[in-house]
Amino acid sequence: QSVLTQAPSASGTPGQRVTISCSGSRSNIGSNFVYWYQHLPGTAPKLLIYRNSQRPSGVPDRFSASKSGTSASLAISGLRSEDEADYYCAAWDDSLSGVVFGGGTKLTVL
Amino acid sequence: QVQLQQWGAGLLKPSETLSLTCAVYDGSFSGYFWDWIRQPPGKGLEWIGEVNHSGGTSYNPSLKSRVTISVDASKNQLSLKVRSVTAADTAVYYCARGWQQLVLSSWGQGTLVTVSS
Repeated sequence: QSVLTQAPSASGTPGQRVTISCSGSRSNIGSNFVYWYQHLPGTAPKLLIYRNSQRPSGVPDRFSASKSGTSASLAISGLRSEDEADYYCAAWDDSLSGVVFGGGTKLTVL
Repeated sequence: QVQLQQWGAGLLKPSETLSLTCAVYDGSFSGYFWDWIRQPPGKGLEWIGEVNHSGGTSYNPSLKSRVTISVDASKNQLSLKVRSVTAADTAVYYCARGWQQLVLSSWGQGTLVTVSS
């Protein structure tokens, strides 16, 4: 059972906009930054979003994220087949004094 | 992006010690956050621990009693040791580097560690 809660799956068709949510508590999302990672099978995870909504260089602006209270969300617009991957949210947890990940959301592009 | 190279034994017996090493070859070791993260088969990512930019360490509370993360700055290497492994420690292990906590922009290739008798 992950400290951060994500829906196990999401789907969309090419060109659509999909949103992936991440729910936490005051000790993690409510008090600290949220980070998002994209993970394709057989490869290393890739940083998509840092500090709630910042994109590293090289990440397309189709990816955006926000945080409100104890929840966060990742939005992918103009969905493409190469976006099919697992997406994880992460944050520091003050109560645990450690990093917590969400359980991951498997995105399928139909 | 900087590539990290990691290596270590891939097959262990229960009760043995898992030992992995991660190296960076561009000379940029100090001043970064260095993390170990794992993914058990069919499961999600799990944070193991980190060495921060000041050399301090933080560990996953559920693993803290068995884990040691250390750095050898003279060799530009990060290491992970997990003592008394069980089948539950079977996973792909990744090292990662970030300029700030959780801003992990460089990753190792991953090492599959299997614990089996």
